[in-house]
Amino acid sequence: DQQVKQNSPSLSVQEGRISILNCDYTNSMFDYFLWYKKYPAEGPTFLISISSIKDKNEDGRFTVFLNKSAKHLSLHIVPSQPGDSAVYFCAARKKGGSEKLVFGKGTKLTVNP
Amino acid sequence: GAGVSQSPSNKVTEKGKDVELRCDPISGHTALYWYRQSLGQGLEFLIYFQGNSAPDKSGLPSDRFSAERTGGSVSTLTIQRTQQEDSAVYLCASSFRDITHEQYFGPGTRLTVT
Repeated sequence: DQQVKQNSPSLSVQEGRISILNCDYTNSMFDYFLWYKKYPAEGPTFLISISSIKDKNEDGRFTVFLNKSAKHLSLHIVPSQPGDSAVYFCAARKKGGSEKLVFGKGTKLTVNP
Repeated sequence: GAGVSQSPSNKVTEKGKDVELRCDPISGHTALYWYRQSLGQGLEFLIYFQGNSAPDKSGLPSDRFSAERTGGSVSTLTIQRTQQEDSAVYLCASSFRDITHEQYFGPGTRLTVT
């Protein structure tokens, strides 16, 4: 069973507009969430994270929102730039477990000039 | 500063052969992880090292898969008697074991089993 779900395989937005990438999880034991960005033929690059004790974390153009009651998090990119075009993975870590991350399948973001 | 490096970048092997994949983590990182990404899938956890020991091997798909880490640094993932379903990108990551849990990934090894 998939514990971290990214239900949109792809998203296309115009440059300068907001990109919203969504992620749902099923395991209430997850206590830390991360977003990674991946370009083709490269490894994933850490983008931003949030602890389960917070509901928002912001870093420049990137903001992650966490809704624990809905088991939902989202990544907002404002304003979107063509260089943001990549696959975005949502990942989660289980409290008290090993350090492994559980990943979603990713959302391919395309930002059109 | 050097990031995580992996070798080879690409490996094509015949079904039934053994392969070894290498990972050099970021210097000073005590934790090391192996994941794999099959086509159209997310990253799938394989094994986690803290120092030279592996407290979590739960993701290794079969006993054909093994991994070791020596000197708290380099790690090797070995796949014996490769099968076509082993074809994937194998990714290594490392981290300090701190509260942020950020893992830094290498570029991966693309394994193709023919």
